[in-house]
Amino acid sequence: IAGITQAPTSQILAAGRRMTLRCTQDMRHNAMYWYRQDLGLGLRLIHYSNTAGTTGKGEVPDGYSVSRANTDDFPLTLASAVPSQTSVYFCASSAGTNNEQFFGPGTRLTVL
Amino acid sequence: GQNIDQPTEMTATEGAIVQINCTYQTSGFNGLFWYQQHAGEAPTFLSYNVLDGLEEKGRFSSFLSRSKGYSYLLLKELQMKDSASYLCAVRDGNYKLSFGAGTTVTVRA
Repeated sequence: IAGITQAPTSQILAAGRRMTLRCTQDMRHNAMYWYRQDLGLGLRLIHYSNTAGTTGKGEVPDGYSVSRANTDDFPLTLASAVPSQTSVYFCASSAGTNNEQFFGPGTRLTVL
Repeated sequence: GQNIDQPTEMTATEGAIVQINCTYQTSGFNGLFWYQQHAGEAPTFLSYNVLDGLEEKGRFSSFLSRSKGYSYLLLKELQMKDSASYLCAVRDGNYKLSFGAGTTVTVRA
């Protein structure tokens, strides 16, 4: 079934550790996005990529990095996790920047 | 940046109609989206408006007034499965989406 997968589903992480959240889509979408969702704040854009080989900063990029080596994969890395990064992380993709976004199932991350 | 406001919670009875309002202030406008999100799940696309007026899709309709910075999502013939959070999102001049905090709709029997 075509769509977006994320891994892991959930993770508990010690503060200061490095962590990479994985995102893969098989729809050949050009654009991909990472959001975090916190209670009362809604979804906030962390980083995005309009096409393979390019990335950009969203609303809340500090403490996160991304890469887009190919069309399908868009990993999100926390270099040194902090408790304020406890959140649910959603990856999304769209055929182009002018199209609706499809969301992955999310990763629930807890930083202690 | 964007400022998107929608009510936090709404409750309605099965079979009834509920209207969820969304007001926004944006730097550039390239469309307004509504997403549905059930608890513990991913958001799923419901509707898209870029021109003024009403878009109808089955039991769900969405309205946009660009001059007023206003949209609403209308849910008709409510069913228990419609209990979810409804997210209003605005696409800005750089084609980035900004989301409201979401409206949690509870449908009661």
